[in-house]
Amino acid sequence: DVKVTQSSRYLVKRTGEKVFLECVQDMDHENMFWYRQDPGLGLRLIYFSYDVKMKEKGDIPEGYSVSREKKERFSLILESASTNQTSMYLCASSSGPAFLYEQYFGPGTRLTVT
Amino acid sequence: GENVEQHPSTLSVQEGDSAVIKCTYSDSASNYFPWYKQELGKRPQLIIDIRSNVGEKKDQRIAVTLNKTAKHFSLHITETQPEDSAVYFCAASVTSGTYKYIFGTGTRLKVLA
Repeated sequence: DVKVTQSSRYLVKRTGEKVFLECVQDMDHENMFWYRQDPGLGLRLIYFSYDVKMKEKGDIPEGYSVSREKKERFSLILESASTNQTSMYLCASSSGPAFLYEQYFGPGTRLTVT
Repeated sequence: GENVEQHPSTLSVQEGDSAVIKCTYSDSASNYFPWYKQELGKRPQLIIDIRSNVGEKKDQRIAVTLNKTAKHFSLHITETQPEDSAVYFCAASVTSGTYKYIFGTGTRLKVLA
């Protein structure tokens, strides 16, 4: 059974802080994703990675960066948190290309920036 | 760029009635269309998917239909039950050489007992 975990369920940070969100998957998946979920906007892709040290921008990468040093771990970094980054962040992983394989999601991190 | 539109944004049905959620995609080369269900406070989970070489797929009370010519696909839930209440997301694969989906904006389905 695929397991995707995220480091925190709830996080409160101050404006300007550097924020790290961690995601770990235990199924040796090649691909990992970070999404942001906001009411009425659905799931929007921030960044994804299809291999260790490889990353590609998604649809809303501004204000974010990522790191994938190990296959099982994908980190989302907010260099200087702002209030408009208050949101639910979901990590996902898949074993192959999007046109062939489903994505498995983590439980989400609800980030509040004050 | 690629886009997926989803309608309606909210849907209320009486228990036992059917529910239909519709999505339209822009990339005519998209070939994989999953549907995810997200119950309150939980993670999205795949409930059904369809590939472009198939027009319809059914799994018990849920079915998905695909019209490639019109570039739209729909989720059908029959004999709705209270546990079907959730947010449903459609998605379409992107074919520009990347590994991602584009998700719709979601439909909040409420099944009234």
